[in-house]
Amino acid sequence: EAGVTQSPTHLIKTRGQQATLRCSPISGHTSVYWYQQALGLGLQFLLWYDEGEERNRGNFPPRFSGRQFPNYSSELNVNALELEDSALYLCASSLASGSYNEQFFGPGTRLTVL
Amino acid sequence: AQKVTQAQTEISVVEKEDVTLDCVYETRDTTYYLFWYKQPPSGELVFLIRRNSFDEQNEISGRYSWNFQKSTSSFNFTITASQVVDSAVYFCALSELFSGGYNKLIFGAGTRLAVHP
Repeated sequence: EAGVTQSPTHLIKTRGQQATLRCSPISGHTSVYWYQQALGLGLQFLLWYDEGEERNRGNFPPRFSGRQFPNYSSELNVNALELEDSALYLCASSLASGSYNEQFFGPGTRLTVL
Repeated sequence: AQKVTQAQTEISVVEKEDVTLDCVYETRDTTYYLFWYKQPPSGELVFLIRRNSFDEQNEISGRYSWNFQKSTSSFNFTITASQVVDSAVYFCALSELFSGGYNKLIFGAGTRLAVHP
């Protein structure tokens, strides 16, 4: 069974540009999560989508946004990129929310902002 | 306030040594979940274990074992007879209702383990 996939693997942008990161969950998983792993800041929760709706977001500005499509894949958009947005962005998926289910992570997208 | 503390930034051991990675957590909830994940150089987080707050039994899985002690708010991870393939960054994580729901993982800073031949 295929795991969580993310694209692209690497992304290089310049300040002020927009970045779009994509995630495909494990088949049968309806919840998708986004985490940011920035140097010195550790792994931080960004967003959680379930059944097409945003259920929770971490302490990130509104220029971090996303969506979940009917096939449960997800997109993370980062507008007006800043240097400190450079990080590894990890996507995870789990079975339906309600009671806790393990999150399975993808390989990540490394975003570099120049 | 830091929710999950992994005080050991880096640990270096020689193969076959036992090593314990410490994790101390802070929560106001009575129901919560604790996790360990492994992050090898490839970057992908690998799930190792989940423990809920009502289950204080220690767990052993092969060379891995976990010691959960609510009295000290600790959830330590021991690798017995370490191997080079164990080299990775290990994260302890907490999920609780208070911080926004069980589906939000709160990670510690991670411990980088280097196992040398």
